[in-house]
Amino acid sequence: DVKVTQSSRYLVKRTGEKVFLECVQDMDHENMFWYRQDPGLGLRLIYFSYDVKMKEKGDIPEGYSVSREKKERFSLILESASTNQTSMYLCASSLGPGRPQHFGDGTRLSIL
Amino acid sequence: EDQVTQSPEALRLQEGESSSLNCSYTVSGLRGLFWYRQDPGKGPEFLFTLYSAGEEKEKERLKATLTKKESFLHITAPKPEDSATYLCAVQTQGGSEKLVFGKGTKLTVNP
Repeated sequence: DVKVTQSSRYLVKRTGEKVFLECVQDMDHENMFWYRQDPGLGLRLIYFSYDVKMKEKGDIPEGYSVSREKKERFSLILESASTNQTSMYLCASSLGPGRPQHFGDGTRLSIL
Repeated sequence: EDQVTQSPEALRLQEGESSSLNCSYTVSGLRGLFWYRQDPGKGPEFLFTLYSAGEEKEKERLKATLTKKESFLHITAPKPEDSATYLCAVQTQGGSEKLVFGKGTKLTVNP
């Protein structure tokens, strides 16, 4: 079974802090994704990566950056956290186009 | 713009009462349609992928079907453990691997 592990289930940070969310997958998947999930808005793509050191913007990249130094690890960075970034953050990985994305259990992030 | 609409938003069933969830989609070209189950506080769990109209997939009490405009998730004789939010997502041909999600159907099955 595919396993996608997110480093924290719950995180509380203050506005202006730099925040790192970590994600690791164990299935040698090429592609990795970061989504956020908000009530009434559903899941929205922030960034994705189709190879080491490669990244592409999703629908809502403003205020975020990503890092993929190793194939199995994909990090989401909030450069200067703001209260509107309070959300559930979900990491996913896949083998490629048309293949299912497998999700971690999410990080519920609160920015105070 | 690619769009996915799920209905109903919420559905309450009695144990054993079969029903269907709907996912309507508008895309320029469909690469795949995905069904997920999400339990509270957890990430979405993959259920099915459908690629072309007429295709069907089954798993235990769940059966997913696909037409050119919509997909149905049929739940036969549901049990309380089937209670969850069911999400539908589409991926389009030629574009990025982005999944466009619907807002989900929250299913509650009462014993």
